[in-house]
Formats: sequence, structure tokens, C-alpha cells
Amino acid sequence: GGIITQTPKFLIGQEGQKLTLKCQQNFNHDTMYWYRQDSGKGLRLIYYSITENDLQKGDLSEGYDASREKKSSFSLTVTSAQKNEMAVFLCASSIGRTGGYEQYFGPGTRLTVL
Amino acid sequence: QQKVQQSPESLIVPEGAMTSLNCTFSDSASQYFAWYRQHSGKAPKALMSIFSNGEKEEGRFTIHLNKASLHFSLHIRDSQPSDSALYLCAVSMGGRALIFGTGTTVSVSP
Repeated sequence: GGIITQTPKFLIGQEGQKLTLKCQQNFNHDTMYWYRQDSGKGLRLIYYSITENDLQKGDLSEGYDASREKKSSFSLTVTSAQKNEMAVFLCASSIGRTGGYEQYFGPGTRLTVL
Repeated sequence: QQKVQQSPESLIVPEGAMTSLNCTFSDSASQYFAWYRQHSGKAPKALMSIFSNGEKEEGRFTIHLNKASLHFSLHIRDSQPSDSALYLCAVSMGGRALIFGTGTTVSVSP
């Protein structure tokens, strides 16, 4: 089995600050994803990557940047944190390069912006 | 742009009863359909998936898919308190990424 690690677990930022979230997987999966989850609701896709140095935008990419410099890691940057923003950011990976494969999720990074 | 909606938003079921969750999608070209479960404070985990029309059963869980009506569902037989969670449906079209639904919160009362 494998594991997905997300750091940090909790992230507190100031309005306008640039914040970076990191994700590592040891499944040797091709595809990695970043999702945002608000208040225990559905998942909204921010970015995904089907291989090293590839980036694909999701529906929620505005206000975010992403980077996949190694197969095992995928980072997400909030370019300018919005005041009173609160959400959980979930990283996931899957073995295949299309959507028809099971995704494995990390425990999440909980963001609070003061 | 694919839209995936779930109903109801939340429900309470007595222990031992059947739980039925619904998911509708907007694109008839969708090819892969899955349900995920997320316990409070935990990561989502895949429950079941289906590619073609019909029914698939795994233990207490059954998926029904009807592509023509753009609808699939999850049924949980003999619901247990441990089934209390957020349930997420997800749909994919060919080479596109999974699109997740809005979620249904299930509470099973002992």
C-alpha cells in the first residue's frame, strides 16, 4: 500500500499573503489532483497533473498556481489569500491518466485566513 | 461543462433501514461513475464504481446506473451507525478528470 502526505495540516495566513501547500505520494501514481472542500460539502477541482511538469486547470483554478516538479510531489500556491477564507484543501492521486480510476486522498490541509 | 448534483442534501435513517442516495449528471457522454465516502475529519475513500448501465452489488452496497436518464444511485442495505458520513458521487467523461457532486450527509440513528 501507499500513502499521501500533506503539509502543513493547519495553515493560518493573512489577507493578501501567498501561501503554499505541499503533497507527496509514494504510490508511484501518474496523476495527482488538488481539490478544495468548503464546510463539508462537495469537492471542487483546482488543478491536476498527469505527469511530471504537466498542469491541467480545473474549474476553480483562478487565484491558484500549481507545480509538479517530481512524479511524487505536487504543490499548490494560493496567490493572494482572501480575508475570512476557510476551506480544506485535499490532494489525491490515481494510477491512470484519465478520470476512470480510483483516487486516493490525503488527510487535507485546513486553511484559515485572518 | 459537466454538472453533477446530489439529492437529498442530508438525511437521517434509523439503524437497519435502507439508505438511498441520488446523483444526476448533465453529459450523456459520461463513462465512469463512482461513489466516495468521507467520515467526519477524514479523507474521502472510494466505495464503488461502475462503467455500464445496470446494477452492481458489493456486500450491503448497490449502485444503479441509468445513462439514458442521466442518473445513478447508491443504496445501503441494513444501515449501520458507522455508515454515518458524507457521500460523494463522481462522474468522468473519457480522458477528463473526475467531477464530484455536491454531497449528501447521512446520519444513521441507533
